[in-house]
Amino acid sequence: DGGITQSPKYLFRKEGQNVTLSCEQNLNHDAMYWYRQDPGQGLRLIYYSQIVNDFQKGDIAEGYSVSREKKESFPLTVTSAQKNPTAFYLCASSISGGNEKLFFGSGTQLSVL
Amino acid sequence: GQSLEQPSEVTAVEGAIVQINCTYQTSGFYGLSWYQQHDGGAPTFLSYNALDGLEETGRFSSFLSRSDSYGYLLLQELQMKDSASYFCAVRDFSGGYNKLIFGAGTRLAVHP
Repeated sequence: DGGITQSPKYLFRKEGQNVTLSCEQNLNHDAMYWYRQDPGQGLRLIYYSQIVNDFQKGDIAEGYSVSREKKESFPLTVTSAQKNPTAFYLCASSISGGNEKLFFGSGTQLSVL
Repeated sequence: GQSLEQPSEVTAVEGAIVQINCTYQTSGFYGLSWYQQHDGGAPTFLSYNALDGLEETGRFSSFLSRSDSYGYLLLQELQMKDSASYFCAVRDFSGGYNKLIFGAGTRLAVHP
């Protein structure tokens, strides 16, 4: 089945630690995105990539980093510089950067120990 | 900059009709999208309006008025499973790249 897979489903971060959230898609989509969702709130864009080896900052990129070395993969690293990392992280993809239909993964809940 | 406004909560009973409004302000408007998200789940795409008017897909319809910078999602014959959050979204073209921006979401509670 084609889709977008995020792992792990739950992740715990210790003080001063970097953690990486995985996002893989087999939909052959060019564009991929990372959104952050806080309880009861909307989706805020962290980073997005319209094509392999290219990515742009979203509205809340500070304390996060990404890479897009393969079309299928768009991992997100939450660095120790992100002081309030507890949130639900959603990865998404679309056929192209201008396409309105995003396909979302099932999300990763990150918590701080 | 861009902004999207939608009500935070809406309550309705099973079998009723509910309308979720969205007003937007953005540069280079292309169209308005709607997504549904159940608690703890992934958002799923519902509809996209690029032109004025009503688009119907089963029990759900979406409307757009570009002159009023306004749209709505209409849910008919409400079912308990429709209890979820609904997000409107538009493209933002600031900064030289285009990206999809979401509203804060409307939480719909359907009661028996």
